[in-house]
Amino acid sequence: ESALTQSPGTLSLSPGERATLSCRASQSISSSYLAWYQQKPGQAPRLLIYGASSRATGIPDRFSGSGSGTDFTLTISRLEPEDFAVYYCQQSGNSLWTFGQGTKVEIK
Amino acid sequence: QVQLQESGPGLVKPSETLSLTCAVSLHSISSTHSWGWIRQPPGKGLECIGSIYYTGTTYYNPSLKSRVTISVDTSKNQFSLKVRSVTAADTAVYYCARLGPNWIDPWGRGILVTVSS
Repeated sequence: ESALTQSPGTLSLSPGERATLSCRASQSISSSYLAWYQQKPGQAPRLLIYGASSRATGIPDRFSGSGSGTDFTLTISRLEPEDFAVYYCQQSGNSLWTFGQGTKVEIK
Repeated sequence: QVQLQESGPGLVKPSETLSLTCAVSLHSISSTHSWGWIRQPPGKGLECIGSIYYTGTTYYNPSLKSRVTISVDTSKNQFSLKVRSVTAADTAVYYCARLGPNWIDPWGRGILVTVSS
């Protein structure tokens, strides 16, 4: 089982700034099996990125994903007010799908 | 656009069985996807409980396997979750979702289940 560790725990930024979120796997995983989700308070998570770098339907191009092996990154190029939320990475490389503990992007 | 909706009791007593159903609409449950349950304790992260394919093939999180059953009813286009012998640690928002080969989308809105006497 590959554990996922996200950093930082909280990212304090202003609208318009760039956000860089990290997800590190305890074992190498194929980039095909890494996804990112956004969760706002009181809402279900929403798929943003799958296959490490493919945007899900309807996701703005300010969201991008990259990485391979054990290190993956979600980048939000210019934060919009609606982007302040918690972000989770998730791996599907083995039978037990697991999530990172989340990174909260808050308004500075 | 496929939609999922969880239903069931919001309060379950300790040692009893938690039972939830997920109704799938605008999409046949007998498709190439799997269907799963994920939970989130208040203020905490996400945990996959298990999944089922329309044929009935299941996968369970090993940490919960002894207490969990997931079943599917293709005639009603829905699938269900049972968690036996619940404790306060099972208090969480329970989500149902469609599982692709390497993604989870969409998710239901979630249902808060509290375990308390």
